[in-house]
Amino acid sequence: GAGVSQSPSNKVTEKGKDVELRCDPISGHTALYWYRQSLGQGLEFLIYFQGNSAPDKSGLPSDRFSAERTGGSVSTLTIQRTQQEDSAVYLCASEGPSTDTQYFGPGTRLTVL
Amino acid sequence: QQQVKQSPQSLIVQKGGIPIINCAYENTAFDYFPWYQQFPGKGPALLIAIRPDVSEKKEGRFTISFNKSAKQFSLHIMDSQPGDSATYFCAASKIQGGKLIFGQGTELSVKP
Repeated sequence: GAGVSQSPSNKVTEKGKDVELRCDPISGHTALYWYRQSLGQGLEFLIYFQGNSAPDKSGLPSDRFSAERTGGSVSTLTIQRTQQEDSAVYLCASEGPSTDTQYFGPGTRLTVL
Repeated sequence: QQQVKQSPQSLIVQKGGIPIINCAYENTAFDYFPWYQQFPGKGPALLIAIRPDVSEKKEGRFTISFNKSAKQFSLHIMDSQPGDSATYFCAASKIQGGKLIFGQGTELSVKP
């Protein structure tokens, strides 16, 4: 079946604007993760959804970042009032109920001018 | 406590060589140690993973060696090929609620 998909693949925005990044996980996967990959910080965890449990938001860098997962499937990561330091590749991963493997999407490259 | 330290940052080997990438962790609660391979413009893809109850795992040309007492693990790539040129990340997590803590990455270049 299809892998994890993310949209858009690239997003250029102006400082101060809000952006929404979308993740479509693999069908049937109950866990969904967001990570951020930047040159200075490597790959860092942002937020984790597991079924109907409260999300683990411990990696969100500021209150400008939020995410939701609707119907246990699609997830949206929202960044409000974007700053230049938010420029990075945002990666989504999903994990099935019977596996430890996180499958990553291709990422959204965000550039804040 | 949450860090995973990876070395070297970059590595160049000749075709057929055996690159070795090392990682060290601090949190003894980690119980799952995957290696991911990433090509430019793509997301990371799982290469091989190990649990701490074994000291070595081999899949094809890729081998993980695990030293629980030293809290270290390493990736060996046998008979490396130019197509193995990529960035490799080690990671660690707890099985339950397993957010991955990544190493800093190793950029591997295999010369023909």
